[in-house]
Amino acid sequence: AQKITQTQPGMFVQEKEAVTLDCTYDTSDQSYGLFWYKQPSSGEMIFLIYQGSYDEQNATEGRYSLNFQKARKSANLVISASQLGDSAMYFCAMGFGNEKLTFGTGTRLTIIP
Amino acid sequence: DAGVIQSPRHEVTEMGQEVTLRCKPISGHNSLFWYRQTMMRGLELLIYFNNNVPIDDSGMPEDRFSAKMPNASFSTLKIQPSEPRDSAVYFCASSQFLLDRGPDTQYFGPGTRLTVL
Repeated sequence: AQKITQTQPGMFVQEKEAVTLDCTYDTSDQSYGLFWYKQPSSGEMIFLIYQGSYDEQNATEGRYSLNFQKARKSANLVISASQLGDSAMYFCAMGFGNEKLTFGTGTRLTIIP
Repeated sequence: DAGVIQSPRHEVTEMGQEVTLRCKPISGHNSLFWYRQTMMRGLELLIYFNNNVPIDDSGMPEDRFSAKMPNASFSTLKIQPSEPRDSAVYFCASSQFLLDRGPDTQYFGPGTRLTVL
């Protein structure tokens, strides 16, 4: 069975600092993808970044990067130079082919001015 | 490009009433997913379609829930009769699946917030 674990229910970070959101996963499959989504207070789910299990380089998208450590089964999201607009829930998810995504419980990030 | 469109955005109904949620996926996407989000259970898949065919409906709670995808640009999720415990945010998501690629990014609609009184 696949499982995503996010151990940080909430985090407070000073504006302009970098923040790392933790995500570990469990699967016996060799081919999978890891995703991060942002859910602001308005409720929509916004795709941030994707990492394939066979990708050798860590994914980056603007201020977002994914620290992928396959042997440790971790896929942490790093947000550089945090902004007030980064305050939201962040979900890590894992997917296979075109099947469903399995989500973690999320981390509520609050950026402090 | 238009994203995933869901309607209505908010629905308040009374127990026992029929509720129909609608979704228009991103044009060209061939997979469509219905998720439900609650505080207690988080995000959970209800059903997903590939090329308009239901592939996995194991997450549908019970016979009161049904979903259809009559064509590539429209899907409905129906609850009949509705109950207070169905109150949640229902998301529709779509992706483009190609056999020679890995998992595809699912793009979510804005969700429908359902309240059953």
